[in-house]
Amino acid sequence: QVQLQESGPGLVKPSETLSLTCTVSGGSIISHYWSWIRQPPGKGLEWIGYIYYSGSTKYNTSLKSRVSISVGTSKKNFSLKLNSVTAADTAVYYCARIVDYYDYNGYEEGLAFDIWGLGTLVTVSS
Amino acid sequence: SSELTQDPAVSVALGQTVRITCQGDSLRSYYASWYQQKPGQAPVLVIYHKNNRPSGIPDRFSGSRSGNTASLTITGAQAEDEADYYCNSRDSSGNHLGVVFGGGTKLTVL
Repeated sequence: QVQLQESGPGLVKPSETLSLTCTVSGGSIISHYWSWIRQPPGKGLEWIGYIYYSGSTKYNTSLKSRVSISVGTSKKNFSLKLNSVTAADTAVYYCARIVDYYDYNGYEEGLAFDIWGLGTLVTVSS
Repeated sequence: SSELTQDPAVSVALGQTVRITCQGDSLRSYYASWYQQKPGQAPVLVIYHKNNRPSGIPDRFSGSRSGNTASLTITGAQAEDEADYYCNSRDSSGNHLGVVFGGGTKLTVL
């Protein structure tokens, strides 16, 4: 079955760029949306953004000026870049697959994150 | 962006029924999905779309919606159900096609 694995530096200095990759195994990246979600220590989940396998993206408006998500050339991974980080960006970062649901008229009725990676803790500190 | 509001904490006696709610304007247009998260683990999808459970999720978990409120019901709560629960849906406000999460509910099984 499809599995996701986040990878990247666990420590990033303030003002620098956080870069993470999510590797998709056991399945294809094609025909799905893929997302990044984060969770600061002791706090709730925050959606960061998502990307379709073709490359179209949507970001959380609160992070939009600093975030970029892209699909790898091999179409077996996708990446997150968050620039100008501060201590507030310290969090566990998860990648996840999105499935969405439509009624018989083709109107979307909702979406869900059905497969998640284990998450990776990124600490912003000098 | 729109918001989803959850009670911070709920408790239930072992074997009893508990309802966890999620309120928000986006839920008038979209169904919520629900996730269970235990300490140190990634969230797990437990309910999606109208009232569907992924493979492996016990049938004591169910979902419903009324107006702007979505509910996750656990019928006959077990000790292993003690966890944080999050709802999410599409964002129906300014961030069109965005996604929003509720703040989470900590469920304690007594």
